[in-house]
Amino acid sequence: DQQVKQNSPSLSVQEGRISILNCDYTNSMFDYFLWYKKYPAEGPTFLISISSIKDKNEDGRFTVFLNKSAKHLSLHIVPSQPGDSAVYFCAASAEYSGGGADGLTFGKGTHLIIQP
Amino acid sequence: KAGVTQTPRYLIKTRGQQVTLSCSPISGHRSVSWYQQTPGQGLQFLFEYFSETQRNKGNFPGRFSGRQFSNSRSEMNVSTLELGDSALYLCASSWGNGENSPLHFGNGTRLTVT
Repeated sequence: DQQVKQNSPSLSVQEGRISILNCDYTNSMFDYFLWYKKYPAEGPTFLISISSIKDKNEDGRFTVFLNKSAKHLSLHIVPSQPGDSAVYFCAASAEYSGGGADGLTFGKGTHLIIQP
Repeated sequence: KAGVTQTPRYLIKTRGQQVTLSCSPISGHRSVSWYQQTPGQGLQFLFEYFSETQRNKGNFPGRFSGRQFSNSRSEMNVSTLELGDSALYLCASSWGNGENSPLHFGNGTRLTVT
């Protein structure tokens, strides 16, 4: 049973436009959400996080939105750049400590391709 | 500040053997977690150590074990290797308590079991 779902395996966006990556979760105990970016042959790199007490968090070109009632979060990248091409993972935790009692639960990832 | 360091980067082992992977966390981080990444299952939580104690454990068999030393460095051991253990093993560190403590990952050890 997948508790964190990223329903789009891949997404293609033109350089300079907005990239929107989506993530849905089913476990109502999740209260801390993170986005990671991963290049081939490297470990995931932390991008941005949000706690359940907020509905938006912004860091430079990256903004994460959380809709608790819909159990949905999204990552917006504006403007998209060629270096943003990577696999993006959504992750969730049931404790507000980054790892949680059951660790982070990850989605399967979305491969973002930025077209020149 | 140095990131999370994992050694070795690549390993090839035979079924039935055992293997030990090593992880050095970011300086000051007291929590070390291990994850397994496979194409079919994605990233799955193995276990977490904090101050030399296993604090949390994922749903993996007892063949998977770990430990943490007083300097926060961690090792993961897999005994009686099976073909299905072939995966990328990722170590991550964090402060381990309080808010805003995201995990920071190393580049992983690619284990191939033949």
